[in-house]
Amino acid sequence: DGGITQSPKYLFRKEGQNVTLSCEQNLNHDAMYWYRQDPGQGLRLIYYSQIVNDFQKGDIAEGYSVSREKKESFPLTVTSAQKNPTAFYLCATKLGPNTGELFFGEGSRLTVL
Amino acid sequence: QKEVEQNSGPLSVPEGAIASLNCTYSDRGSQSFFWYRQYSGKSPELIMFIYSNGDKEDGRFTAQLNKASQYVSLLIRDSQPSDSATYLCAVTVSGSARQLTFGSGTQLTVLP
Repeated sequence: DGGITQSPKYLFRKEGQNVTLSCEQNLNHDAMYWYRQDPGQGLRLIYYSQIVNDFQKGDIAEGYSVSREKKESFPLTVTSAQKNPTAFYLCATKLGPNTGELFFGEGSRLTVL
Repeated sequence: QKEVEQNSGPLSVPEGAIASLNCTYSDRGSQSFFWYRQYSGKSPELIMFIYSNGDKEDGRFTAQLNKASQYVSLLIRDSQPSDSATYLCAVTVSGSARQLTFGSGTQLTVLP
């Protein structure tokens, strides 16, 4: 099936630990995005990538890092520098950077204990 | 001023009624407008997009765009309990590779 796979769906982390969220897509989309959603709020952009080996910061990049070594993969690392990492993280793709529709993965819910 | 504003709700309508969801945006250069539905604990799914002024209908859903007023709305006719969800308005500027800018969403409850 074509789609976007995020893993893990649920993750618990102790303070001070780095965690990496996986996002894999087989839609052959060029552009990939990471969003964060907090309760009762919209989506805020963390990082995005238009092509392999290139990515840009979004609105709330501090405390996060990404890589784009393959077209299919765009992992997000939540570092210990992120002060309030508990949130719902959504990976999304677009066919190209200038097309409109975003396709979303199922999300990863991170809880810091 | 937020770039994309929505009434957070909750908005409650009886089953079979018309639900009206509203969104305003601040960037006059915005050219593409999207409505996503998000069930609790799930990821957003696209239900409508509109690029031109006027109305666009798809089944029970109608999107309305007024660029002069910087206003986009979503009407849901014959509302069903399964329509109960949070509806996110999203806006993008043509040529911007960056992303969609999302509103905070309106929570809709359709009462049986």
